[in-house]
Amino acid sequence: EVQLVESGGGLVKPGGSLRLSCAASGFTFSNAWMSWVRQAPGKGLEWVGRIKSKTDGGTTDYAAPVKGRFTISRDDSKNTLYLQMNSLKTEDTAVYYCTTGSWGAFDIWGQGTMVTVSS
Amino acid sequence: SYELTQPPSVSVSPGQTARITCSGDALPKQYAYWYQQKPGQAPVLVIYKDSERPSGIPERFSGSSSGTTVTLTISGVQAEDEADYYCQSADSSGTWVVFGGGTKLTVL
Repeated sequence: EVQLVESGGGLVKPGGSLRLSCAASGFTFSNAWMSWVRQAPGKGLEWVGRIKSKTDGGTTDYAAPVKGRFTISRDDSKNTLYLQMNSLKTEDTAVYYCTTGSWGAFDIWGQGTMVTVSS
Repeated sequence: SYELTQPPSVSVSPGQTARITCSGDALPKQYAYWYQQKPGQAPVLVIYKDSERPSGIPERFSGSSSGTTVTLTISGVQAEDEADYYCQSADSSGTWVVFGGGTKLTVL
């Protein structure tokens, strides 16, 4: 069964850090371009960033609101994607999804993990 | 920064046709994708590459493209189609992924 399972969410103070993980199974993780997408409470979907497969260079791209604060990485030996979030702001409060897919689309999604940034 | 524009809401009666539009300057160059999201659930892909339907998605869902606007059409809307719908594409370089603001479909 194709599956993505996020973990690591929780409550953190402004300025703090948090690392999210996404465990993949049921597909060839090493070949996949992986993205993080977030959704603030009551708001729409927002792309956070992406990491390409190592065969495609393994490079990362980030949305402007998180660039310089968030880092996406992957461990293909563990079939796991990571999102390191530093200098967190209240506006980073959201459900964070990892996602991937074919045809340029996101057809595999995790269940999401909630991150709350509050003092 | 690049944006995709959707109407905030669309309302239709059961059995009617719902059309949700998404506008963006780069849409003539980049494919569009559509997602359905119900409360408390992860999004589900319903259309890819402007007009292709993934397996398992009902035939009443279709997509089309014309210039800078793409359209998701749901024919014979059912109560279970009530959800938020998001378009997604990329900027003209293909680097940045962008989602539209979302459209809440209400089945009256």
